[in-house]
Amino acid sequence: QITLKESGPTLVKPTQILTLTCTFSGFSLSTSGVGVGWIRQPPGKALEWLALIYWDDDKSYSPSLKSRLTITKDTSKNQVVLTMTNMDPVDTATYYCAHRDIAVGGFAFDIWGQGTMVTVSS
Amino acid sequence: QSVLTQPPSVSAAPGQKVTISCSGSSSNVGNNYVSWYQQLPGTAPKLLIYENNKRPSGIPDRFSGSKSGTSATLGITGLQTGDEADYYCGTWDSSLRAYVFGTGTKVTVL
Repeated sequence: QITLKESGPTLVKPTQILTLTCTFSGFSLSTSGVGVGWIRQPPGKALEWLALIYWDDDKSYSPSLKSRLTITKDTSKNQVVLTMTNMDPVDTATYYCAHRDIAVGGFAFDIWGQGTMVTVSS
Repeated sequence: QSVLTQPPSVSAAPGQKVTISCSGSSSNVGNNYVSWYQQLPGTAPKLLIYENNKRPSGIPDRFSGSKSGTSATLGITGLQTGDEADYYCGTWDSSLRAYVFGTGTKVTVL
């Protein structure tokens, strides 16, 4: 059974760096075809994809946020870390991590974490 | 500012059918597989449809997906009160080199 869980601060100040950790179980990020992505959702708004990292360390980022994002993985700890610099109140959102397996077909996030709410305020 | 457009809301009575459209372009819907996600109130999104029309294990066949050209459609038949949720389409955009979600559609059961 695949599970993912996000963790990190619930409150950050403007201009600070946000570091979120996705801890997962039920799969390995060293398995060919597997990836973990980050998606966020501001209150009352739509989903927004942020970043994705694959088993081979290939990474992709949202073009509009690329300069502020870094995604890394620690295969031994079953964790994926997302950092976002220069936080702003508009970055207030629930942040989700999700599993992707190329074998599932197409491009889909088939298992999601419960999400973690991050508020940006001074 | 999403590149995939969905109607803000659709509604129907219990037992009826609703369809949700997802309009994109050749760089996303037109040339890539579409997925659909259901987000019940206060919960994380859940994969409903992948590869345009395939259902993950456990998803009832009341939910169906289709695609034609640069538009995709999610259908829900036999509408139930438990289907009240927000629904999002998603796909890879080859030009943006990014995964994109639709604007989201709220389904209300009257």
